[in-house]
Parts: sequence; structure tokens; C-alpha cells
Amino acid sequence: GNSVTQMEGPVTLSEEAFLTINCTYTATGYPSLFWYVQYPGEGLQLLLKATKADDKGSNKGFEATYRKETTSFHLEKGSVQVSDSAVYFCALRDGGATNKLIFGTGTLLAVQP
Amino acid sequence: KAGVTQTPRYLIKTRGQQVTLSCSPISGHRSVSWYQQTPGQGLQFLFEYFSETQRNKGNFPGRFSGRQFSNSRSEMNVSTLELGDSALYLCASIPGGTAMNTEAFFGQGTRLTVV
Repeated sequence: GNSVTQMEGPVTLSEEAFLTINCTYTATGYPSLFWYVQYPGEGLQLLLKATKADDKGSNKGFEATYRKETTSFHLEKGSVQVSDSAVYFCALRDGGATNKLIFGTGTLLAVQP
Repeated sequence: KAGVTQTPRYLIKTRGQQVTLSCSPISGHRSVSWYQQTPGQGLQFLFEYFSETQRNKGNFPGRFSGRQFSNSRSEMNVSTLELGDSALYLCASIPGGTAMNTEAFFGQGTRLTVV
């Protein structure tokens, strides 16, 4: 079945460092891809999305490009802030007549001042 | 515009008891999905409801059930609680369609602890 593989954390960076969190997927067809963020004690917030190959999702300085050839959707940010510290989840929409999301295991990002 | 409301936020139950969790979606949204989040298994899909009908179900035992009302509010029920049911239960509110760009909006979750 469909699945998402995400790089293990935690990822610890200094403020203003470059961030990459790797995400690859296995799916039939052309799933929509998402990045969600979870702050401590909170639910999930949609960070960005892409619905077809070569689409680039972007929000709050974060970017991810839907790469069909490498089945990847890596999250990047040029300069992280302490406030970006959170858990990041890569997800795909399972497709068909459902909105079921399949999530990766999550990557904890800790940004130090 | 009000967000997704889940009640209660925190719950402590004893093994063998049953529990009901509630989710009020965003006004106008017709679909609700439920997810279980645990440190060991991560985020796992429980079920999805659309217009009071279950549209999809995850791989959970029959102790886990849900329903959706005509006002789109949803409840999930877990009977005969086990220690392993301790988790954060998240509800997602979805407009209703299954278009490729459909977004899911999550509530803050209900933290269930089984002792």
C-alpha cells in the first residue's frame, strides 16, 4: 500500500541555519502531498501542499517540490528561527473517494538561539 | 471563523471502561476524519465520515467506532479500554469533496490516558 518515509530526528540547528527534512513516498497514481507542523500541546497545522508533479508548495519561508521521478517531497527553509521548533510530518492523500492521509513518522526540529 | 473543536481536551479512564470523544468541524464542512497519535505508532487513520456515512475505515479493532450527526458533528467511541489506547486523538475537518487540493484542518486533540 501507499506509504511515507521521513528522515529520523531529532534535527538540531542553530538559528539562521539551512533546514532540509527528507521525505519520500510510495504510491500508485499521483497522490497529493502535504507537510504538517505540530507545536507542543497542539494539533496539526497544514504548512504547505502540492498536488501534481513539479508543483512547489511554499509558506512562511518553507518550501517543498513534488518530485515524481524521485518520489520525494523534501522540506526546506533557508534560515530557521527558534519559533520553528516543532514536529514536522510529511503526508500523502491516499487518493480515490477518500480524504485519508498517510503520515510519516514525524521529525522533531529543535532550533537553538 | 471558528476552528475545529474537540472535547474534552483531556481524559483519564480506567481499563475496561468506555469513552466518547466529540468533534465539531468547521461550519460548512461535511466531512470528519479521526486519527490516533501515539509515540510508538505515530499518526494512524481511524475513520472518515461524510454526510453521516462512514466513507473509509482504518485497521483498528471493532472496539473503536464512530458516527456523524446531521449537523456534521462527530463522535468516536472506544469500548473496553486498554492501556494501549492511551493516545492523542485528533479530528480533522474537511469541506467534503475529494478533490486533489482538499485540505484537512485539525483540532487540538483529546489526550486520553488509560490507567
